[in-house]
Amino acid sequence: DQQVKQNSPSLSVQEGRISILNCDYTNSMFDYFLWYKKYPAEGPTFLISISSIKDKNEDGRFTVFLNKSAKHLSLHIVPSQPGDSAVYFCAASEAGGGADGLTFGKGTHLIIQP
Amino acid sequence: KAGVTQTPRYLIKTRGQQVTLSCSPISGHRSVSWYQQTPGQGLQFLFEYFSETQRNKGNFPGRFSGRQFSNSRSEMNVSTLELGDSALYLCASSLVSRQGDGYTFGSGTRLTVV
Repeated sequence: DQQVKQNSPSLSVQEGRISILNCDYTNSMFDYFLWYKKYPAEGPTFLISISSIKDKNEDGRFTVFLNKSAKHLSLHIVPSQPGDSAVYFCAASEAGGGADGLTFGKGTHLIIQP
Repeated sequence: KAGVTQTPRYLIKTRGQQVTLSCSPISGHRSVSWYQQTPGQGLQFLFEYFSETQRNKGNFPGRFSGRQFSNSRSEMNVSTLELGDSALYLCASSLVSRQGDGYTFGSGTRLTVV
């Protein structure tokens, strides 16, 4: 049973436009959420995180929104750039880190079209 | 500073054999976590070591084991390899245990079981 779901395996966006990546979760014990970015042949790199006490966190072109009642979070990238083309993973953890490490979604492959 | 180093980068093994993968964390990092990435399941948590002690273990069979040495380097071992063990194995290090956004991932070891 997947506790973190990224329902779009891929997403194509034009350069300069907004990219919106979505993530849903089922475990109500999750209280910390993260986004990782992964290029081919490299390990994932941390992008941005949000605690459940917040509903928004910004870092430059990246903003994460959290809707706890809907158990949904999204990552907005504005404006999208060619270097943003990568696989994006949503991840979640329970209070204090939990006993199961991070629970990842299966990823969304973002393709930025010139 | 040097990143997380995983060796070897690629490995081909025969079903039934065993394999040992190595991970050298960032200097000063005491926590090492291991994840398995497959196309069908995404990233799944294997286990976490902190100060030579296994802190958490994911839902994997006992064929998957690991250890951590006094210098924080970690190894994971898979015995009696099965075709389904073919995956990218990622190691992540952090200063303290259970710190999702402090994770730095290595580039992974690509294991192919034939």
